[in-house]
This record gives sequence, C-alpha cells and structure tokens, in this order.
Amino acid sequence: TQLLEQSPQFLSIQEGENLTVYCNSSSVFSSLQWYRQEPGEGPVLLVTVVTGGEVKKLKRLTFQFGDARKDSSLHITAAQPGDTGLYLCAGARGGSNYKLTFGKGTLLTVNP
Amino acid sequence: DTGVSQDPRHKITKRGQNVTFRCDPISEHNRLYWYRQTLGQGPEFLTYFQNEAQLEKSRLLSDRFSAERPKGSFSTLEIQRTEQGDSAMYLCASRGDRAGDVLFGQGTRLTVV
Repeated sequence: TQLLEQSPQFLSIQEGENLTVYCNSSSVFSSLQWYRQEPGEGPVLLVTVVTGGEVKKLKRLTFQFGDARKDSSLHITAAQPGDTGLYLCAGARGGSNYKLTFGKGTLLTVNP
Repeated sequence: DTGVSQDPRHKITKRGQNVTFRCDPISEHNRLYWYRQTLGQGPEFLTYFQNEAQLEKSRLLSDRFSAERPKGSFSTLEIQRTEQGDSAMYLCASRGDRAGDVLFGQGTRLTVV
C-alpha cells in the first residue's frame, strides 16, 4: 500500500509555464519533505514543512502543507529546463526514528 | 563537511556474489538510514541506526542483507548471494540528534547480472 500518492506521475511542459504537483495521504504526518532527484543521483532536499497550513517559498517554488497535515503541494512558477527532475514527497510520522515514507514521485520535464 | 558520501557509486556483480557498500554520514549526525530505490518507485526504508545501535529493520531486509555501524560513524550494507531482484539504487541518509533534515548521499547503483 502506497501511503503517499503523488500526482501527476509524469508532467511535460514548456519553459515559462506554471505547474503544481500534489502529494496526498490518508495518514497524518508530523512533517513532510520535498526532494528533487536527477537520474543516477540521490534525492536532494528542497524543503521541510512541519506545521499544518504552512507555506514556504524557495525562489520560484512554493510549498504548502495541508491544514490536517495529510497532504502537500508544490507549485513552480515560470518553470525552467533546470527544474527538470523527479520530485519526491516524503512524510515522517512521530517518534524518534524519523523514518520517511516516500511517494513514487512526479517526473517533470521542462522543454526549452 | 561534504555531505553524505557513498562508495562505490556503481557496482556490477554476477548473481550469487556478495557485495558490500559503504556510507559515511555527515560527521555530527548520529542517525543513519539505508533506503532502496527501484526504477519508477520512491525510496523504501531498509534500516535505521542511532549511533552504533541498529534500532529498526524493514521486512524488505531479508536474511541475505546485513548492515553494521560498528563505531557509530560509517556504515556498511552487505548483500550475500545476490539475486537479480537486488538490482536497485541503494541510498544512505543521515540526520542529526536535534530536529533536522534527513540528507541523502548520491547512492550506489547495483546491477546484478
């Protein structure tokens, strides 16, 4: 059972367009992380959100954590080819081990 | 500190051989994780260390898999009698004792032929 559902699974857009990807769950998480991964590399952390309703901005990227801490979204404004990659969301439950549960990811391609 | 370091980056092995991977976490991080990622999937948790103690193992970690962190610093993941289904990216991550982010290494890509 995939606890975190990401949508869409694939997204191909033109440079300059805006996009939103979603991460949904029926479970509550104490925090949620977004990572970007390029082929053959490990995931690189973009942001961690911990408070329900929290919004964080990282340049052209806006991350939102749902009020109930079950879902999150990532919005990219004016996408660039350098944004191409696999976007993964990962949730952590309470507890000291901080084990992450990942979604399958959204594979974004930004065409010049 | 250059981040989490994994070695080797790539490993091709014949079915039935044993392989060992190494992970050097960020120096002040006492928590270390191993994950496995197959094509088209997100990473899946394998095991977790706090200092030298292995505190949690996933059911994905069969008897052929063993992980150690003998001095609470670097860790090794060994796979015995490799099978084609073991082909995957093996990722190591670490986290500090206080609230902090989980940071990943570049991974070891294993191909079993």
